[in-house]
This record gives sequence, structure tokens and C-alpha cells, in this order.
Amino acid sequence: AQSVTQLDSQVPVFEEAPVELRCNYSSSVSVYLFWYVQYPNQGLQLLLKYLSGSTLVKGINGFEAEFNKSQTSFHLRKPSVHISDTAEYFCAVIPDPGLASTNAGKSTFGDGTTLTVKP
Amino acid sequence: DTGVSQNPRHKITKRGQNVTFRCDPISEHNRLYWYRQTLGQGPEFLTYFQNEAQLEKSRLLSDRFSAERPKGSFSTLEIQRTEQGDSAMYLCASSSKPGTGPLEQYFGPGTRLTVT
Repeated sequence: AQSVTQLDSQVPVFEEAPVELRCNYSSSVSVYLFWYVQYPNQGLQLLLKYLSGSTLVKGINGFEAEFNKSQTSFHLRKPSVHISDTAEYFCAVIPDPGLASTNAGKSTFGDGTTLTVKP
Repeated sequence: DTGVSQNPRHKITKRGQNVTFRCDPISEHNRLYWYRQTLGQGPEFLTYFQNEAQLEKSRLLSDRFSAERPKGSFSTLEIQRTEQGDSAMYLCASSSKPGTGPLEQYFGPGTRLTVT
């Protein structure tokens, strides 16, 4: 089984400041990691993903995340935020579908971090 | 538009009534997922299909819930004898089968259910 913990439920920042949204996960098997963004009354949109290779991944809207296997973390960062980045952000894991006996289709999400960017 | 669509977007029903939601996935995706999301929580997995086969159901999916994907294209989620605790956003997502395309799930806008 997998679990995802987003360490901050709310993160208020001022416009043009840097931000980090923290995500830790727990899993007995190797996983793929994702960050999604959800704007009010909308579905989730993929920001970025880590499958393998370089531990620093870049996504849309200037976001990036770093996979740290030893700390089982996948923190999301942006060097300078905009008002339009105000939204809910979700970290998610999927078991590596290349492994046998895994819940290959089941995503586990964290409870979300509300990012509020103030002028 | 080739995104995931869901209908209706909003549904208000009285306790005890049955409701049915529809999801149309991205056409080339053969996996389809249903999630439930309540306020302040992340999406919770309910069930998923590969083509027309329902491969897994969460324990959250009580006997009042049933999902179908009869022709491997669109899917329906039915809730019978709705309860106030069923009030939530129901999200649908689709993806490729592992090894055939990108793994990430593409989400629809959701159906918000309110049970009064």
C-alpha cells in the first residue's frame, strides 16, 4: 500500500517570492510520482511527473520538483510565483506498473496544499 | 476538444434517489478511473477499468455504487438510494495502458453531487 503526506495544508506567499510545497510518500514498492494543480471548480491538471532518470524534473508554468529516494520526498518548487498560481496542489503516487502484484491502476493522492499568492 | 468530459457538471438530488453520472474519456485511452473528492481532501480512488473490464474496486465503493464501461469507451457511475454522505465531487480520469503510452491520468472537470 502507498500513502502520501503533504506537510502543509496552506501556504500563503507574496507575489514574486519563491515557494516550496512539500510532499513525502510511503510505499513498499517503487512508485512514479506526480504533482497536479486544481483551480476552483475544475478537474486536476498535471504539472509534472517523475518516472525515472534525472531526479530534478521540470513542469509547466515554471514549476519543478526534486525526487529524493532516501528521504522519500518529492517537493514542488517555483522560484517566483504569480497571482495566477493561486490554487490547490496535489501530490500523487502510482505503483510502478512494471512490477508484479501491484495495484497498477491505483493512484494515491495527498490531501492537498492550498497555495495563496498575495499581491 | 479531445479532453475528458463529464456530465452533468452539477447534480442536486434528494436523499434516497438514484443518480447516474457519465464520463467520456480521451478516445485513445483504454484505462478509465473514478475518484471521489470531498472538501479539503485529495481524490480517493473508487474503481478503474481497462477497456470494458473493471479491474479493481475500492472498499469505499459500497453496494449502492456501481460502475460500468460496456463498450470500453464511455463509463457510467450510478449511486442508488443516495445518502447525504455521498455529497462530493466525482472525478473521472483516463490514461493509456502501461507500455502503450504516457502513464499520467487526465482528469475531467468533475460532477458535483449534492444530496439534500
